[in-house]
Amino acid sequence: SQQGEEDPQALSIQEGENATMNCSYKTSINNLQWYRQNSGRGLVHLILIRSNEREKHSGRLRVTLDTSKKSSSLLITASRAADTASYFCATDAWTNAGKSTFGDGTTLTVKP
Amino acid sequence: NAGVTQTPKFRVLKTGQSMTLLCAQDMNHEYMYWYRQDPGMGLRLIHYSVGEGTTAKGEVPDGYNVSRLKKQNFLLGLESAAPSQTSVYFCASSYGGLAGSYEQYFGPGTRLTVT
Repeated sequence: SQQGEEDPQALSIQEGENATMNCSYKTSINNLQWYRQNSGRGLVHLILIRSNEREKHSGRLRVTLDTSKKSSSLLITASRAADTASYFCATDAWTNAGKSTFGDGTTLTVKP
Repeated sequence: NAGVTQTPKFRVLKTGQSMTLLCAQDMNHEYMYWYRQDPGMGLRLIHYSVGEGTTAKGEVPDGYNVSRLKKQNFLLGLESAAPSQTSVYFCASSYGGLAGSYEQYFGPGTRLTVT
């Protein structure tokens, strides 16, 4: 079974709006990562947040992690049409050494 | 640097045929991975390797074999292809470390159809 589950499955917004997607997981983790996948392409790493961190920023991206609720959120501010893609969270756990477990993703559509 | 490359990009097989997918990385990464992605779903780990000469099973290893004879290459083999193996296959690599605590770099994918 998948460790991480993204919510919502699909999100459609207008350019300039903010997009928020969530990831929930079941067991304790070491790190949580977010990836982007453009249609027909491989995944691209966006940001990694460690279990002892609560928030991290990278450009227009803001990631939060709440280990007590076993959840993370990815916020994309001032979205652009080029942000249209699928977004996946991946969890890394000490019990799963060497491997990340990916969720099923959130498909984001940003309308111009 | 080319990063992670995959060969071939597309392939159509008949049921029962065999093939090998090649993944190469030029970043001197220790860890390499093979995933499959079915429509509308996330990635499922098939096999992975934590170093040259080592391989391990992932979440969905049945029907696949792998080899890591050279650090830069990771081969995925299908001995007798089945329609259920129709999917997009992604290779990835990372520096490694415990708990996969390094970002993974992905190849462009191989789209395989088994008829």
